[in-house]
Amino acid sequence: DAGITQSPRYKITETGRQVTLMCHQTWSHSYMFWYRQDLGHGLRLIYYSAAADITDKGEVPDGYVVSRSKTENFPLTLESATRSQTSVYFCASSEVYSSYNEQFFGPGTRLTVL
Amino acid sequence: RKEVEQDPGPFNVPEGATVAFNCTYSNSASQSFFWYRQDCRKEPKLLMSVYSSGNEDGRFTAQLNRASQYISLLIRDSKLSDSATYLCVVRPPGGSNYKLTFGKGTLLTVNP
Repeated sequence: DAGITQSPRYKITETGRQVTLMCHQTWSHSYMFWYRQDLGHGLRLIYYSAAADITDKGEVPDGYVVSRSKTENFPLTLESATRSQTSVYFCASSEVYSSYNEQFFGPGTRLTVL
Repeated sequence: RKEVEQDPGPFNVPEGATVAFNCTYSNSASQSFFWYRQDCRKEPKLLMSVYSSGNEDGRFTAQLNRASQYISLLIRDSKLSDSATYLCVVRPPGGSNYKLTFGKGTLLTVNP
């Protein structure tokens, strides 16, 4: 009964390196989301996906790339990490039955870019 | 006006107190409304949805005022375990994308 998992949970990297954060859900939810959470900004949507092979930009997509080849996986890649991308990253998923559908969040990845 | 704006807090209350949080949203066509709870260094979790007629879940009562674009959360008989950040969340209009907009959160500390 894993639900939604993220890996790694903690990551330290250097400026300019490529980093991939993984997200996996076991519910077969259609929608998946990536957020970042920073002090003073709250949760901000980076990218989302309505289904496999369908992705779209959120509020803060610059510097990030996503893919969704399988329904259960939604990796987020920082192509060339910058210090401003130091943050806590949350993945979420949701099924679509009504406008009151809950989003379920993973435990988060704490990323530090030195 | 920000999309979703909350009381910044922090709120420090004694056990047993009643505390209320307020939230305003900018888009009058927003479709649905929620309160999420986030414990320190943990992921957000749904506390309750907010319906037009208002709704209650145990010690928690949520109200929606569409005319004033205002949402509230009332917690009665506060417990130590209620200490957390409370996030006001709105689903703006926009077809079927099911995106959510989060407020920055209000920190509540319940003291013994």
